[in-house]
Amino acid sequence: KNQVEQSPQSLIILEGKNCTLQCNYTVSPFSNLRWYKQDTGRGPVSLTIMTFSENTKSNGRYTATLDADTKQSSLHITASQLSDSASYICVVTILTGGGNKLTFGTGTQLKVEL
Amino acid sequence: EPEVTQTPSHQVTQMGQEVILRCVPISNHLYFYWYRQILGQKVEFLVSFYNNEISEKSEIFDDQFSVERPDGSNFTLKIRSTKLEDSAMYFCASRPRTAPTYEQYFGPGTRLTVT
Repeated sequence: KNQVEQSPQSLIILEGKNCTLQCNYTVSPFSNLRWYKQDTGRGPVSLTIMTFSENTKSNGRYTATLDADTKQSSLHITASQLSDSASYICVVTILTGGGNKLTFGTGTQLKVEL
Repeated sequence: EPEVTQTPSHQVTQMGQEVILRCVPISNHLYFYWYRQILGQKVEFLVSFYNNEISEKSEIFDDQFSVERPDGSNFTLKIRSTKLEDSAMYFCASRPRTAPTYEQYFGPGTRLTVT
């Protein structure tokens, strides 16, 4: 069964600190892996996309890693800001005849405090 | 920057009523999607649409659901007879055909409350 598991479920950190979120997946056939940021009551916004041949990708203070052999990914947030408070969702894409199908993880709820 | 828009932002309806959720995808996009997110749960794929027909649907997308692209801009999701368990956020997404990494752009969502 295609699954995407994330940890921790929730996390509280102080402003300015770094943090790392984890994602494990059992999706097949794998196309790419994305990290999304979702503010409460809003649609997901893409942070990074990585294909199986990429093992790291950065977007500002966000750095994602991918190990396609162990089927693990991480999202590292550097120098956190209050505006980073949101749900971070790992999404794995399966290539299908219909184009692509996204399988979402349950997300890590991040809260950044003063 | 172009974005996906959705209306209404919040819809309240009684059980058994029909609802239509509307989406305006980004203008040059060719693939369209609906997802739902029940409160506190993960986002779930409902259906994908391309070239005026459904290209894929999940087991959630049963006969009570339908999608339509009635004109060149709108993309709608209809629920014929709503149930309490249909209460959720519904997200529309679209992507351009040429996107090499198949990026999907999400709308802000419609919160559907069935009472």
